[in-house]
Amino acid sequence: KAGVTQTPRYLIKTRGQQVTLSCSPISGHRSVSWYQQTPGQGLQFLFEYFSETQRNKGNFPGRFSGRQFSNSRSEMNVSTLELGDSALYLCASSPWGSGRHDYNEQFFGPGTRLTVL
Amino acid sequence: KNQVEQSPQSLIILEGKNCTLQCNYTVSPFSNLRWYKQDTGRGPVSLTIMTFSENTKSNGRYTATLDADTKQSSLHITASQLSDSASYICVVSSSASKIIFGSGTRLSIRP
Repeated sequence: KAGVTQTPRYLIKTRGQQVTLSCSPISGHRSVSWYQQTPGQGLQFLFEYFSETQRNKGNFPGRFSGRQFSNSRSEMNVSTLELGDSALYLCASSPWGSGRHDYNEQFFGPGTRLTVL
Repeated sequence: KNQVEQSPQSLIILEGKNCTLQCNYTVSPFSNLRWYKQDTGRGPVSLTIMTFSENTKSNGRYTATLDADTKQSSLHITASQLSDSASYICVVSSSASKIIFGSGTRLSIRP
């Protein structure tokens, strides 16, 4: 079974631009969550999608948005990039939505390393 | 406030030695606790997952314990190997659909 894939793996943008990151979950998984990881803040939850609906949202500004397609693939968009948006963006898939099952394990992708200059 | 605190922040041990990483949480209501291993530049990989009724779970040389009364968990690594050098992240889920991450312990194994 193929794992979670994320594209692109590396991205360099300049301030003010926007960026779209893509995540393909494990086949059969319906939940996709996005996280931002920086050295200073650790892993921070952005949002979770389940069956094309946003189920949970972290404390990030509206510049961060996402969506999920009918095939469970998900995209994350960041508009008006700031220097502080430089981070590793991780996507995780799981069979069910969070809180649905005690053993609902998340499987992480390799991440997209975004650098904002 | 839901929090997950890990200690130590970083740890250096010699190859072959054992070590124990700590995780204290205040997440409520509790659903499960997971330990992840994250190699530099890669996504986290699950090591163990424990629910309220479990107090020990092993995965090879990794053994996790959970004390739901004191809200503490530990990850014990036996006979460490160079490949164990990584960050170890404790993650606690609440049954209210919240997932709280610890800041991780960075473990370095020296030959």
